[in-house]
Parts: sequence; structure tokens; C-alpha cells
Amino acid sequence: SQQGEEDPQALSIQEGENATMNCSYKTSINNLQWYRQNSGRGLVHLILIRSNEREKHSGRLRVTLDTSKKSSSLLITASRAADTASYFCATDEGRGSTLGRLYFGRGTQLTVWP
Amino acid sequence: GAGVSQSPSNKVTEKGKDVELRCDPISGHTALYWYRQSLGQGLEFLIYFQGNSAPDKSGLPSDRFSAERTGGSVSTLTIQRTQQEDSAVYLCASSSPTAYEQYFGPGTRLTVT
Repeated sequence: SQQGEEDPQALSIQEGENATMNCSYKTSINNLQWYRQNSGRGLVHLILIRSNEREKHSGRLRVTLDTSKKSSSLLITASRAADTASYFCATDEGRGSTLGRLYFGRGTQLTVWP
Repeated sequence: GAGVSQSPSNKVTEKGKDVELRCDPISGHTALYWYRQSLGQGLEFLIYFQGNSAPDKSGLPSDRFSAERTGGSVSTLTIQRTQQEDSAVYLCASSSPTAYEQYFGPGTRLTVT
């Protein structure tokens, strides 16, 4: 299965600290995405990195991708209490550019203490 | 509407009853997905609709589950003869014809008693 695996399962930090979450996957991909989920409800898309990219930034988010190691990391800088949520990586099936299902891991639960 | 909507937001049903969950995707999004999330777990893919193509039903866990999409827009997920293990949050997502990003609805929390 292509399902991604996030690490750690849970992360607890103080406001202002940086939070780093990792994701590993098993087969080739077209792109990798990170999503955020609050309170077990809908997911919100954060950032997408393509297989030919190594790093991407969006505001306080920095994503890296290492296709040789089949891994990605999400860094949230200067964290805030409002960043408390579950974070999921999602991969596609890697077959050309066909849109389709995403494979999600179990997520990292981030808690940011004020 | 501005985003993906789902109804009902919560559903409690007795074991053995049938339920219907509705998803209204973002206007213009040709792709629609259903996922299921059990407590503390990741998302489990159920079914994927893309335009007029035959849906990808490979994630449906049993023949008690079915889904349809009428007119290329609204979708209904039907679970027949519900079981307690069907209790979960059912999430719907849609995406535009040219983008990989998926936009999720708030989900329907299904509880089978």
C-alpha cells in the first residue's frame, strides 16, 4: 500500500518553538501534500510539493521532499496555540499525471501550549 | 456555495438501518471523493468520481456500501444494514479538473448503536 506514515504520532511544544513532522511513503509519487485537521472534522489543504521539487515555503510552513528516501518533512516555525491540530501527509499513486485518490497516514497530533 | 457541504452533520442510527449521507461539492469541481475516518485513525479511501468516467469503487469495504453522483454534482453515499463498525466520520472532498489539491467538507459523524 502507498499509505504514508507520519512521525511522531504526537508532538507537544511551547508557543514560539518550531515543530517538525515527518512523513514516509512507499512507492513513486507525482506529488505530496500536507493537510491539517481540527477536531476530527474536515481537512484543510496546506501545501503541495511536486516530485521534482526539493523544498517549498508558504508563510510559516516549510516542506521538504527527498524522493530517494521517500520521505518529506513539514516544519512550522514560530508556532502558535492556534496551530494545535492533526497534520496529515497525503500521496497520490504516481501514475503519470492522473488525478485520483490520495493515500493518507494516521497523522501527527500537534499540541502547542501558550 | 463557497465550499464543500455535507449533510447531516451528525447521524445516530440503529444497527440494521440504512443511512444516506449527502455531499455537495464546490461548483465546477469534476472530481469527488468519499473517505472514512475512524477515531484516531487516518483517512480510508472509499470511492472516487471523475466527470462521466466510471467511478473508482475499489475502497468500498463491502457491498452494503454504495454511492452515486447525480448530474455530475451532488453525491449520496448509502450504507445499508448498518453495523457498529460503520461508526466513523465520513468525509467528502472535491477537486478541480486541473489540480491535485482536494477540498474537504466538514464531514458527517455516523454513530451506529
